[in-house]
Amino acid sequence: DQQVKQNSPSLSVQEGRISILNCDYTNSMFDYFLWYKKYPAEGPTFLISISSIKDKNEDGRFTVFLNKSAKHLSLHIVPSQPGDSAVYFCAASVKTSYDKVIFGPGTSLSVIP
Amino acid sequence: DAGVIQSPRHEVTEMGQEVTLRCKPISGHNSLFWYRQTMMRGLELLIYFNNNVPIDDSGMPEDRFSAKMPNASFSTLKIQPSEPRDSAVYFCASSLDPPGNTIYFGEGSWLTVV
Repeated sequence: DQQVKQNSPSLSVQEGRISILNCDYTNSMFDYFLWYKKYPAEGPTFLISISSIKDKNEDGRFTVFLNKSAKHLSLHIVPSQPGDSAVYFCAASVKTSYDKVIFGPGTSLSVIP
Repeated sequence: DAGVIQSPRHEVTEMGQEVTLRCKPISGHNSLFWYRQTMMRGLELLIYFNNNVPIDDSGMPEDRFSAKMPNASFSTLKIQPSEPRDSAVYFCASSLDPPGNTIYFGEGSWLTVV
């Protein structure tokens, strides 16, 4: 029973266009959400995060949107670049005394030059 | 700055053998995580420690898997006996309290059980 879902295993986008990666979660207790990026043969690296008190967080070309009522978040990359080609993991956690971060299965993004 | 260091990077072993994966977290971090990545399930949390104490091991698949953290700078994940379905990439990660801080991953240990 996956608590964090990424229903699109892969996505292809033309360079310069917008990439939209989606994520859904089931646990209403989650209050902190993160996106990680992973290149082949490397560990995931942190990209951007958002707290449940916000509905948008922006960092350069990357923006994360959170819709708490729909238990849905999305990552927008504008404009997309070939170097953005990677696997993107959505993750969620509950701010209890200890940190437990649950990851989704990932979406493989290919940005075509 | 040294990141999370894992060893071995690659391991090929025969079914039934014991496998030990090692991890050195980032100095000063007090939470440590073991994740497993497979095509089918993505990144699964196996176990995590806080201040060297196992907090949640509900993700450990079965008794063949065990993890220890004898001190703040070292952790092991052991599989005994190993099976072909254990083949995956195993990631160690660490973070610093308070909760919600960024988790930093190692480069992973690629395990193949034949």
